[in-house]
Amino acid sequence: KQEVTQIPAALSVPEGENLVLNCSFTDSAIYNLQWFRQDPGKGLTSLLLIQSSQREQTSGRLNASLDKSSGRSTLYIAASQPGDSATYLCAVRRNSGNTPLVFGKGTRLSVIA
Amino acid sequence: GAGVSQTPSNKVTEKGKYVELRCDPISGHTALYWYRQSLGQGPEFLIYFQGTGAADDSGLPNDRFFAVRPEGSVSTLKIQRTERGDSAVYLCASSLTGGYTEAFFGQGTRLTVV
Repeated sequence: KQEVTQIPAALSVPEGENLVLNCSFTDSAIYNLQWFRQDPGKGLTSLLLIQSSQREQTSGRLNASLDKSSGRSTLYIAASQPGDSATYLCAVRRNSGNTPLVFGKGTRLSVIA
Repeated sequence: GAGVSQTPSNKVTEKGKYVELRCDPISGHTALYWYRQSLGQGPEFLIYFQGTGAADDSGLPNDRFFAVRPEGSVSTLKIQRTERGDSAVYLCASSLTGGYTEAFFGQGTRLTVV
């Protein structure tokens, strides 16, 4: 059974810092990995999708990497801003295009002005 | 619509009552998923539709939970004889079939059973 773990559970940083969020998964036979952002009381906003054949994806100040063989992904946020404060969730999809995502519990990020 | 739409946004019901939660996926998305999220947890899979059929319902917790998608677009999650433990945020997501399978989520329905 696929299990996804996110470390740390919570993180507080001063504005302007670069930071890394970690995600690990137990079964490396994944189709893709997706990072989401969730604001309090809201749904999930997709940030980045990495296919299993890719090593990284970038969008603005965000960069996500994938090391499938070791079962790890990182989300790098450059020059953090208070508006980045949210919970960040990592999810993996099994080795088929439309199987369900399996989520971690998320990392709650606070960026202090 | 442009995104996944879920109604109602909030639902308060009494223990033992029946509730229906609705999801309108992104137009053209044939895959639709229901998840449930409890406070402080990641979303947990409930059921997945490919078109009109339930391709995987292994996440439904018991037979009080049922979902339909009769025309391959809108889906309804139905919960019978609600219990306080059913209180959670119910999230719906949709994605295209094959190829680029990024999942897009709705804002969720917060269900409170009192």
